[in-house]
Amino acid sequence: GNSVTQMEGPVTLSEEAFLTINCTYTATGYPSLFWYVQYPGEGLQLLLKATKADDKGSNKGFEATYRKETTSFHLEKGSVQVSDSAVYFCALRSNYGGATNKLIFGTGTLLAVQP
Amino acid sequence: DVKVTQSSRYLVKRTGEKVFLECVQDMDHENMFWYRQDPGLGLRLIYFSYDVKMKEKGDIPEGYSVSREKKERFSLILESASTNQTSMYLCASNQQRSANVLTFGAGSRLTVL
Repeated sequence: GNSVTQMEGPVTLSEEAFLTINCTYTATGYPSLFWYVQYPGEGLQLLLKATKADDKGSNKGFEATYRKETTSFHLEKGSVQVSDSAVYFCALRSNYGGATNKLIFGTGTLLAVQP
Repeated sequence: DVKVTQSSRYLVKRTGEKVFLECVQDMDHENMFWYRQDPGLGLRLIYFSYDVKMKEKGDIPEGYSVSREKKERFSLILESASTNQTSMYLCASNQQRSANVLTFGAGSRLTVL
């Protein structure tokens, strides 16, 4: 079945450090891929997305490239800030078969950025 | 600003009690979802609905039911709460033919004693 695997946290970084959060997926066909972010005390919100192979999603300095050959969608940011501290979820939506409105989420990665 | 509103942010209930979690969206979205969020397990889909009075089981529907009598409202019901249903519950919605960008509520943290 479809699944998402992301690196376990917590990830603790100093301000201005480089961030990578790994995400790999298993899916039939060509899924759409997403990164959602959950700030403390809030619900999830979309950070970025990519709908086909080699697409790059970007937002707020974060980037992720849809790599079909490695079935990956790693999240990166060149210089993190304290305000980026949050839980990050990788997710996919299968475009194959029925129930294509369902999103499948990874387990989430807590990022803590220290000043 | 578009919103998904979950009426209760924090609830404490006793084992065996009936619990209602309410979710309202003001975006005229067709699809609505209930997830539960647990540490180390991420988000797991409980139930979803494509339209009024329509519902479909997600990955973990046992112990839960839902109701969608109006398009904007999707209720999650725990008929007899148990301690293993202590969790954060997240409601979300989206349009039928969107790129599946979900809009989430802020969550309802339920503790069952």
